[in-house]
Amino acid sequence: EPEVTQTPSHQVTQMGQEVILRCVPISNHLYFYWYRQILGQKVEFLVSFYNNEISEKSEIFDDQFSVERPDGSNFTLKIRSTKLEDSAMYFCATDRGYEQYFGPGTRLTVT
Amino acid sequence: QKEVEQNSGPLSVPEGAIASLNCTYSDRGSQSFFWYRQYSGKSPELIMSIYSNGDKEDGRFTAQLNKASQYVSLLIRDSQPSDSATYLCAVNMGESYSGGGADGLTFGKGTHLIIQP
Repeated sequence: EPEVTQTPSHQVTQMGQEVILRCVPISNHLYFYWYRQILGQKVEFLVSFYNNEISEKSEIFDDQFSVERPDGSNFTLKIRSTKLEDSAMYFCATDRGYEQYFGPGTRLTVT
Repeated sequence: QKEVEQNSGPLSVPEGAIASLNCTYSDRGSQSFFWYRQYSGKSPELIMSIYSNGDKEDGRFTAQLNKASQYVSLLIRDSQPSDSATYLCAVNMGESYSGGGADGLTFGKGTHLIIQP
């Protein structure tokens, strides 16, 4: 049973467009994370979110990215003005204690 | 620069044998260590966590941690073809240490394991 679900499973967008990726926790969680994995490469941390604020972010998480929890349940990652190199799997994760559990991911394809 | 290193493989192991996967990390202050399994096209699935030096066993899996050597390993006993996957080592190199703490994990590139029937 996954801790989180993600929508959409696959998103195709044109370069320069904005995309919003969604993550829905199955139960109450305090911490949320976004990671990405470019095809054939390692999983990379983007940002963590706690109590409606960014807790930590990586160098990858620049002004092109934003996160929010608009309605107290969904947790979104917005990518403004997408670039070809943003094509990747994007994973939402949440934690139980020290352990992080990943959602099924959204495959983002930028053309 | 915080790094986690793994041999990318492929590591080929006969069915029923022990598979041994290794990982080293750069940050000596790291506190939490994880092994994830990732099937092709799927998300990482947590299989083991370890926080103290020594061994931790869970079914066919044993995680080993040596903080002095900055080394983590995963042993898979009685390997099955369904164990064929990429195994990711992940380390929490952040400073938060309670209740998850919202620290991002640093992942290695993963070791591709093939169990030969």
